[in-house]
Amino acid sequence: QVQLKETGPGLVQPTQTLSITCTVSGFSLTSYYMQWVRQTPGKGLEWMGFIRSGGSTEYNSEFKSRLSISRDTSKNQVFLKMNSLKTEDTGVYYCAREGPLGADYVMDAWGQGASVTVSS
Amino acid sequence: DIQMTQSPSLLSASVGDRVTLNCKASQNIYKNLAWYQQKLGEAPKLLIYNANSLQTGIPSRFSGSGSGTDFTLTISSLQPEDVATYFCQQYYSGYTFGAGTKLELK
Repeated sequence: QVQLKETGPGLVQPTQTLSITCTVSGFSLTSYYMQWVRQTPGKGLEWMGFIRSGGSTEYNSEFKSRLSISRDTSKNQVFLKMNSLKTEDTGVYYCAREGPLGADYVMDAWGQGASVTVSS
Repeated sequence: DIQMTQSPSLLSASVGDRVTLNCKASQNIYKNLAWYQQKLGEAPKLLIYNANSLQTGIPSRFSGSGSGTDFTLTISSLQPEDVATYFCQQYYSGYTFGAGTKLELK
């Protein structure tokens, strides 16, 4: 069955770089867009960016200057890297699959989330 | 950017009640709207897409309606397991989520 699982550092110091890995099973990364969404106390659910099935990326302008999404299809993994972290970046980071449903493309499967605290 | 406004922010209802949650878009998004359910400590779960299409495996007591700027999620007969926060999301232009409606039992 379709599964997604995020792994991350838990605690990151301000100004440092966050790295989270999303490992998927039950489907191919070359057939689906993979999204990153975060949930913070201050802003709730926020779309961060995605990597297309073909490997190109698109980012929310709010994060564009400090966010990078990449993947390793041989390992079924998608990666999020975000630099210059601030305390406001504390929250839960989710990867989600965007799948075709009818004529729409919707986030139809989510990982359990990686909790990140930005603190010194 | 398209803003999504949900109301009410908190809703208390009894088991068996018909419950209606609202979502308003800041501009026309046609039917490019999804509803998600998030239980405490869990990831969001897709309930409805295309404003009124029920995701596979979701109970038929959940339904969605609306188009343009005004949308509704209805639970026809509230069950204890429906206690959760519900989010709407537009995917017409980028992706934006509402702030959520927290549904609790009275």
